[in-house]
Amino acid sequence: DQQVKQNSPSLSVQEGRISILNCDYTNSMFDYFLWYKKYPAEGPTFLISISSIKDKNEDGRFTVFLNKSAKHLSLHIVPSQPGDSAVYFCAASGSGNQFYFGTGTSLTVIP
Amino acid sequence: DTGVSQDPRHKITKRGQNVTFRCDPISEHNRLYWYRQTLGQGPEFLTYFQNEAQLEKSRLLSDRFSAERPKGSFSTLEIQRTEQGDSAMYLCASSRSGGRINEKLFFGSGTQLSVL
Repeated sequence: DQQVKQNSPSLSVQEGRISILNCDYTNSMFDYFLWYKKYPAEGPTFLISISSIKDKNEDGRFTVFLNKSAKHLSLHIVPSQPGDSAVYFCAASGSGNQFYFGTGTSLTVIP
Repeated sequence: DTGVSQDPRHKITKRGQNVTFRCDPISEHNRLYWYRQTLGQGPEFLTYFQNEAQLEKSRLLSDRFSAERPKGSFSTLEIQRTEQGDSAMYLCASSRSGGRINEKLFFGSGTQLSVL
């Protein structure tokens, strides 16, 4: 039962353009969301988070948007850089201690 | 380096053998998690410790799996009588308790297990 879904397994974007990665969730009890980036042979690294009391959180080139009614969040990267090429996971948590991860989107930024 | 450390990085074993992995969390972090990741999937929760207490275990964690965190510092994950389906990347993560909404997991580089 996949409670966090990333329906796009891959995305290619030109350097300098915007990258938009999407994530949907099914559990209405989720109230905290995170994005992680993962390079090959490394563990995921934290990128940005948002709680359900906000609909937007920004950190430099990275912005996360949350649409609670649609149970949807997105990560915007502007401008995209070749070093952003990685697999991006969204994650969510509710009242428990578990973080539920999506299946990931592989982003390729083309120079 | 004060990050999360996992050992070994790779483990190849034969079916039926026992394996043990070690995780050293960031020193001031009192929470420790084990996750498992297979190809094309995101990390799946296995178990969680707060200090030395194991507070939550996933249904994925069969009786062949056991995790410990003596003295609330490093943790070990043991798999007994390994099966080919156990082949995966085993990820350890730690965090500092300070309110769930602000919690961030810091992951190690993982242990890649291959069961032949």
